[in-house]
Amino acid sequence: AQTVTQSQPEMSVQEAETVTLSCTYDTSESDYYLFWYKQPPSRQMILVIRQEAYKQQNATENRFSVNFQKAAKSFSLKISDSQLGDAAMYFCAYFNTGNQFYFGTGTSLTVIP
Amino acid sequence: GAVVSQHPSRVICKSGTSVKIECRSLDFQATTMFWYRQFPKKSLMLMATSNEGSKATYEQGVEKDKFLINHASLTLSTLTVTSAHPEDSSFYICSADGRVTEAFFGQGTRLTVV
Repeated sequence: AQTVTQSQPEMSVQEAETVTLSCTYDTSESDYYLFWYKQPPSRQMILVIRQEAYKQQNATENRFSVNFQKAAKSFSLKISDSQLGDAAMYFCAYFNTGNQFYFGTGTSLTVIP
Repeated sequence: GAVVSQHPSRVICKSGTSVKIECRSLDFQATTMFWYRQFPKKSLMLMATSNEGSKATYEQGVEKDKFLINHASLTLSTLTVTSAHPEDSSFYICSADGRVTEAFFGQGTRLTVV
């Protein structure tokens, strides 16, 4: 079974600064997708960014970007110009051809004013 | 983006009773829906995969007789917690595949069994 590891249970960042959340995964498949989801206190899961494994170019969405290293099976999320609204739990997720999501254990991000 | 509505958002029930949670895709058809359980400050644990018109596929360790899943239409899946006990208290989240490789999540249901 695929595993997704987030080694940082908690992270903090000063408002307007940049923070990077790390994620590694284990798979023998070559075709898959990776996601970062955000879960604010409301508990609603919100898609932050998605990366297709067959694409070499790193995905970006406004202030959010990823560093996808396929050989190293690493998928980190960079949040630039951090805002107070970015405070949340962040989950890294792996999606395979078997139509299943596997989630990491999450990183709780605190944004310091 | 696509909307998935989960109802109720909170429910309190007595031990021994059953509780039904609904998950609806409001503006798209979902042949597959997923049910997750999330413990406080923990990740989402996949409980089962619900496929329209067929039996759900349960993850190892999940009691299918306790957590009944029905996916009778392309827009509705239900999770029924039967004979609930306090240890079933948790946050339950559904998701639906709106399109290939992206899941849309419901708002979640906080179940408290007293």
